[in-house]
Amino acid sequence: KAGVTQTPRYLIKTRGQQVTLSCSPISGHRSVSWYQQTPGQGLQFLFEYFSETQRNKGNFPGRFSGRQFSNSRSEMNVSTLELGDSALYLCASSRGTGNSPLHFGNGTRLTVT
Amino acid sequence: ILNVEQSPQSLHVQEGDSTNFTCSFPSSNFYALHWYRWETAKSPEALFVMTLNGDEKKKGRISATLNTKEGYSYLYIKGSQPEDSATYLCAPRTYSGAGSYQLTFGKGTKLSVIP
Repeated sequence: KAGVTQTPRYLIKTRGQQVTLSCSPISGHRSVSWYQQTPGQGLQFLFEYFSETQRNKGNFPGRFSGRQFSNSRSEMNVSTLELGDSALYLCASSRGTGNSPLHFGNGTRLTVT
Repeated sequence: ILNVEQSPQSLHVQEGDSTNFTCSFPSSNFYALHWYRWETAKSPEALFVMTLNGDEKKKGRISATLNTKEGYSYLYIKGSQPEDSATYLCAPRTYSGAGSYQLTFGKGTKLSVIP
């Protein structure tokens, strides 16, 4: 079955702009989580959506937001981009139970200039 | 923010050597422990999910153990091969209140296997 699909793969934006990233989970998975990866920081948790509701949120400013649609697809939005937002953004889907493994997409590489 | 420590940060071993790394995490509010392998230019791939104290899981030459009381897990690779070169991430899932659980990743152990 198809894996987790993230679009676009690469993005270049300017400071102050906003960006929307998309994630299509594995069919049947109701949970979608978003992570930011920067050099030396590891994977930082942004938020998790389950059945269209935000179930958990990490310690990121309000400029980072997300949503999930009825077909479980999810979008993440970052407004008023800053240079420090340059990172690899990974989305992962799962069945949503505590012992369900995450299935990651290939990520979106965002560069803010 | 949960403190998840992985050691060592990086490791170089010769092909055929066996190796192991450690993941340490707070034992309070523990629910499960995930291990992932992240190869360069690919996405992280799940290796194991363990929940019970004393759990041992095995997948080919890779195995893992879990001690929830003292808050640590070991990952072992027997007879390392060049294709084992990757960053190995651990992530405890803990109860974060209001009926929700959070997965927190360590920074990983980067393994390089020299042919």
